[in-house]
Amino acid sequence: NAGVTQTPKFQVLKTGQSMTLQCAQDMNHEYMSWYRQDPGMGLRLIHYSVGAGITDQGEVPNGYNVSRSTTEDFPLRLLSAAPSQTSVYFCASRRDNSYEQYFGPGTRLTVT
Amino acid sequence: GEDVEQSLFLSVREGDSSVINCTYTDSSSTYLYWYKQEPGAGLQLLTYIFSNMDMKQDQRLTVLLNKKDKHLSLRIADTQTGDSAIYFCAESIQSFNKFYFGSGTKLNVKP
Repeated sequence: NAGVTQTPKFQVLKTGQSMTLQCAQDMNHEYMSWYRQDPGMGLRLIHYSVGAGITDQGEVPNGYNVSRSTTEDFPLRLLSAAPSQTSVYFCASRRDNSYEQYFGPGTRLTVT
Repeated sequence: GEDVEQSLFLSVREGDSSVINCTYTDSSSTYLYWYKQEPGAGLQLLTYIFSNMDMKQDQRLTVLLNKKDKHLSLRIADTQTGDSAIYFCAESIQSFNKFYFGSGTKLNVKP
C-alpha cells in the first residue's frame, strides 16, 4: 500500500491564481481530511469528508473548496490564492469509527 | 476552536527522560493523542489514551492524564537522538470527525 499520497510536494503561486492540491489513499478509508500547518499554531482542520459525496467544513474553511467523488481521492481547491494561504497542507485518512489517522507527507505552498 | 496548548521547545541529553506537557480545554474529549513529526514528513500517531484512563504505558512511552486539571503528558524514557522531532498533542471530541492539535513541542536530544 502507498498509504496517503499528496502532490505536488512544493508549489509557488501568485496572488489570485487558482490551483488544486491532490490527495489520494489506497486503504479504502471512509474519512479524509485536510489540515494546514502554520508555525506556532499546530494543525488546523480545513475540510473533511466522511464518505464519497459528503463533505463538511472544519475550523478554517474560507478560501478553500473540496469535493469527494470517489473514496480514494479528496482534492483541495484554492480558487484565488492569497498570501495568508502560505502554509504546509496535510491530507489525512482513517477508517470510519477509528481514532487512528494516517497523514500524507504534505504540500508546502507559498503564495507571493 | 478548542485550545490545546504546549510549550514550544524541550532540550534533553541522550539517555535522560523527556517529559512533554499539554493542556486542553474541552472536558468532553473522548481520546487524547500524541503524534510525532520528523523533518519534512507528515504526522505519525505515537500513542493515545482514552479519556477515562489515568495512565498508559507502551515500551519507552508513558502517557499520564489528569482530567481534573485537563493536563496530558508524554514521558519518553532513555531518550535517543532518533527521538528528536516535533511532538503534537491532540484531542478528538465526541466523535472522530474533528481533531484539535496543539502547536507542537520541538524536542532536541543532545548526544
